[in-house]
Formats: sequence, C-alpha cells, structure tokens
Amino acid sequence: QKEVEQDPGPLSVPEGAIVSLNCTYSNSAFQYFMWYRQYSRKGPELLMYTYSSGNKEDGRFTAQVDKSSKYISLFIRDSQPSDSATYLCAMIAGGGNKLTFGTGTQLKVEL
Amino acid sequence: GAGVSQSPSNKVTEKGKDVELRCDPISGHTALYWYRQSLGQGLEFLIYFQGNSAPDKSGLPSDRFSAERTGGSVSTLTIQRTQQEDSAVYLCASSLDRWGSTYGYTFGSGTRLTVV
Repeated sequence: QKEVEQDPGPLSVPEGAIVSLNCTYSNSAFQYFMWYRQYSRKGPELLMYTYSSGNKEDGRFTAQVDKSSKYISLFIRDSQPSDSATYLCAMIAGGGNKLTFGTGTQLKVEL
Repeated sequence: GAGVSQSPSNKVTEKGKDVELRCDPISGHTALYWYRQSLGQGLEFLIYFQGNSAPDKSGLPSDRFSAERTGGSVSTLTIQRTQQEDSAVYLCASSLDRWGSTYGYTFGSGTRLTVV
C-alpha cells in the first residue's frame, strides 16, 4: 500500500463547477500538506500549503486537512478551463527531508 | 536565476549509453531534490542534497544512478548503461529550507528521457 493514495481520474467538470480533489495517507508522522498543480510538460507548481487541521482559503481554492482521518482535500470554486491540469497532493513529516507525493488527479474543465 | 533550470529538456538515447542531466537551482536555495515521474506512477523521490552533501539517496533505483552537486549550486544526475525502464521525466526542485515545509519546492520543467 502506498503512503499516499490519490484517485488518478480523469475528472471532467463543466466550467463554473465546484471541484473536490482528495488524498488519503497512512503515515501519521506527516505534518505539512501541500497541493501542487502541474500543466502538461511543465514542472509542478505550489498552490496551497497548510500544516494544521481545518481549512485554508486562497481565492477560489480551499485546502482542508483532517489529521484524525488522515484525509486532505482541495476545493476549487467557479472552476475555469485554465484550471485544467494535474493536481498532486504532497506531504512531509516534521523534521523530514523530502515530500511524498500522490500520483496526481487529472482535471479537465470544459466550456 | 528566476527559476529552476534543467537541461536538456528532451533527451533520446540508445540503450546502454550513459546520460547526464543538469539542474541549476534558484540562487540561495540550499536544498535540492531529484524526482522521477513516470506515467501513472506519480513523483518518485531519487535523492536530496543539502549543500553539496547528499544525506538521503535512498530513492536511487540502482548503482547505475549517481548524482553530485558542486558549489552548493548546480547538480548533475548521471545514469550509466541506460535501460528502457529508465525512460521518464526527471524533475529537479530546490527549496529555501531543509524540509521545504515553509515555502514548498520550486520545480524545473524537467528532462524528458527516452531510451530506445
């Protein structure tokens, strides 16, 4: 079993929809959680970072962490075609030295 | 530079040849990472540098893989006697702090390696 599980999709939604992307993890040492967005033929770019349970909002994006359930989510409101990309969750243990990534969920937002 | 630079962006090589991949991190970033991304496999950790030393090289798949970093800056990943299963995108990332937990990693665009 992988330390981080993420549904690969693809996920296709109409423009304006609310998108929910999720990851589960098994290592309780993970303390810092991130979401990266990766466009085709580009490197991942950091979208959101959080270290505590609860919600963190940034514009149309909300990151949610539930450490008791070992479950994290990324919500995208009013989705746009430019949001079409692969979204990767990533996490790191306190004192750790490397991020562990999910396999990524491919999202397509259609006009 | 403004971002992490990787070269070449694409590399096609014959099975059995050696290849060198280069990464130029953001100036001042002490931590540097190499990951490999294969279709459907996500990002696979290869090696982590802090300055010029590599305290974690646990992800290197075999002794055909090696990496070095000089001057606390440029890093090269070398794959000897390439095999078809080495075909993947090799991503380099750098971060300001040891854990990347404050600002995350900044990734380059990767080197797409194809072994034929």
